[in-house]
Amino acid sequence: NAGVTQTPKFRILKIGQSMTLQCTQDMNHNYMYWYRQDPGMGLKLIYYSVGAGITDKGEVPNGYNVSRSTTEDFPLRLELAAPSQTSVYFCASSYEVFYEQYFGPGTRLTVT
Amino acid sequence: AQKVTQAQTEISVVEKEDVTLDCVYETRDTTYYLFWYKQPPSGELVFLIRRNSFDEQNEISGRYSWNFQKSTSSFNFTITASQVVDSAVYFCALSEESGYSTLTFGKGTMLLVSP
Repeated sequence: NAGVTQTPKFRILKIGQSMTLQCTQDMNHNYMYWYRQDPGMGLKLIYYSVGAGITDKGEVPNGYNVSRSTTEDFPLRLELAAPSQTSVYFCASSYEVFYEQYFGPGTRLTVT
Repeated sequence: AQKVTQAQTEISVVEKEDVTLDCVYETRDTTYYLFWYKQPPSGELVFLIRRNSFDEQNEISGRYSWNFQKSTSSFNFTITASQVVDSAVYFCALSEESGYSTLTFGKGTMLLVSP
């Protein structure tokens, strides 16, 4: 099993551009999550999904959108990128509520 | 107010020393889970342990041990005989029933183990 995979690993965006961060898991987990990690700030939840077709906002959803059309995929869309979105983005999945989350390798995004 | 507080921003030790990383949490739920994750310099997040609110038994796994005390809302992590490979950022996290079981992370403690 590959676990949780994310693409791309690195990306530089200009202000105002858009992009989609891809996340795929092959563990048949229902729950998937997107976090951002800023230096010294821990991880903050952007969006999460409890199953295909169901998504909900986390702590810092502004400027982002998600969709969940399949169990495996949970892409994160950035519209109109801003410097404040410069961060490392992690996707994660878990089997059930309260179970440990497994994280992807992360995407380092710079917006200039 | 922070739900998960890791007051130690950075700890430096010499190899073979024991070190304890503190974690204090805040919740009104009776059902909740606590986690520790490790983030080595390579950047990935590695799951270490999960503990539910009804189980206060301490846990030991090799050189790692965890002390969960509901009376003080703490879930501390001790590394015995630290090694250079233990150098990483360690995160404590809380998952609450009222929070739809999403994880709330502390800000992390950076552990530097020198030879």
